[in-house]
Amino acid sequence: GAGVSQSPSNKVTEKGKDVELRCDPISGHTALYWYRQRLGQGLEFLIYFQGNSAPDKSGLPSDRFSAERTGESVSTLTIQRTQQEDSAVYLCASSLVLAGYTGELFFGEGSRLTVL
Amino acid sequence: AQKITQTQPGMFVQEKEAVTLDCTYDTSDPSYGLFWYKQPSSGEMIFLIYQGSYDQQNATEGRYSLNFQKARKSANLVISASQLGDSAMYFCAMREGERGQAGTALIFGKGTTLSVSS
Repeated sequence: GAGVSQSPSNKVTEKGKDVELRCDPISGHTALYWYRQRLGQGLEFLIYFQGNSAPDKSGLPSDRFSAERTGESVSTLTIQRTQQEDSAVYLCASSLVLAGYTGELFFGEGSRLTVL
Repeated sequence: AQKITQTQPGMFVQEKEAVTLDCTYDTSDPSYGLFWYKQPSSGEMIFLIYQGSYDQQNATEGRYSLNFQKARKSANLVISASQLGDSAMYFCAMREGERGQAGTALIFGKGTTLSVSS
């Protein structure tokens, strides 16, 4: 597709269940990011993948959060044993790494997670 | 570690006036890039403008300009001739590393909500 695609767009789950959120970046974009945005708040960095380098996991808030990326394509963010404070919009973004290019991020529309 | 600070939770401006949104940053890396994004109530993230640490000129894009003061480590966004459609949340962000390189993760400030009235 032309843009970053995220699914599901909305997810309602019960406390304690596991959830998986999917991100399909723009083709050719080697950099992929996950952010969390609570209602009315800023973007909280979670994890950053760049090509074949080890991901920067420094933003993951607890060991209940993990993410994988298959090569330079799809990424999955998994939240285990969800808690109510995990309720947020999870934004995925990708960018092109190219000499002289700014490397601006292109964002998906987000996955809204509600934990009851 | 890199850090981005936006000290204005909310700003109010009349249509057609100019407004400045503040952003300060902290990094020990001489190579870095600064970004501004707009997030309207619809939730989409819209890229506005980029400034590289080695860029000689302040960046401009239409009604948006970046007042880059390297010694003060500030990168304020100036919006000229405000429009009602400018009402949104605005985020400043920074990545360490040179333009065109992968660099570090892009870290965002907490944002400023801009309200434009007629």
